[in-house]
Amino acid sequence: SQQGEEDPQALSIQEGENATMNCSYKTSINNLQWYRQNSGRGLVHLILIRSNEREKHSGRLRVTLDTSKKSSSLLITASRAADTASYFCATDRWGAQKLVFGQGTRLTINP
Amino acid sequence: EPEVTQTPSHQVTQMGQEVILRCVPISNHLYFYWYRQILGQKVEFLVSFYNNEISEKSEIFDDQFSVERPDGSNFTLKIRSTKLEDSAMYFCASSDLVAQPYEQYFGPGTRLTVT
Repeated sequence: SQQGEEDPQALSIQEGENATMNCSYKTSINNLQWYRQNSGRGLVHLILIRSNEREKHSGRLRVTLDTSKKSSSLLITASRAADTASYFCATDRWGAQKLVFGQGTRLTINP
Repeated sequence: EPEVTQTPSHQVTQMGQEVILRCVPISNHLYFYWYRQILGQKVEFLVSFYNNEISEKSEIFDDQFSVERPDGSNFTLKIRSTKLEDSAMYFCASSDLVAQPYEQYFGPGTRLTVT
């Protein structure tokens, strides 16, 4: 299946440190997206990276994509307490709109 | 900034009852989706909808489920006879495949509890 799998499952760091989360998937993709979910809330779209892109930045976020390894990473720099949330990667394939989500990484930023 | 809205935020129903979950997608979006997330598990795709018909559905989306766009703004998910295992958070999403291909914007979700 085209499942995205994130690691680590949980990450706890101090405020101000950088947080890196990884995602792996199994089949060819069209795009890979990262979403944030605060506890019990909806999914907030963070960033989309296309299969022909290798790196993308948005504010304090940096996403990389390695299609040869079928993996992506999300880096959050200078973390803040408000970044505490679960982070999910989601992939889609050519010709299909559905997103396939991973299990997510629970990020805790300690003040 | 435009956003997807969903009502109700929490629905409690008895097993065997019908429920309708409502969504108002972003107004200029053309594709609509339903996903669900059972507590502690990953978000799962249910169905996508375009041009007034289902374009894709998952194995979860069986005959107990249906979707409808009854007017120009609402998008609904109906579960005809709820089961205990239908308890989950249900998310509606929409996307504009012209301007921002494949970026899906999610609503806040409806928590469905089947007792």
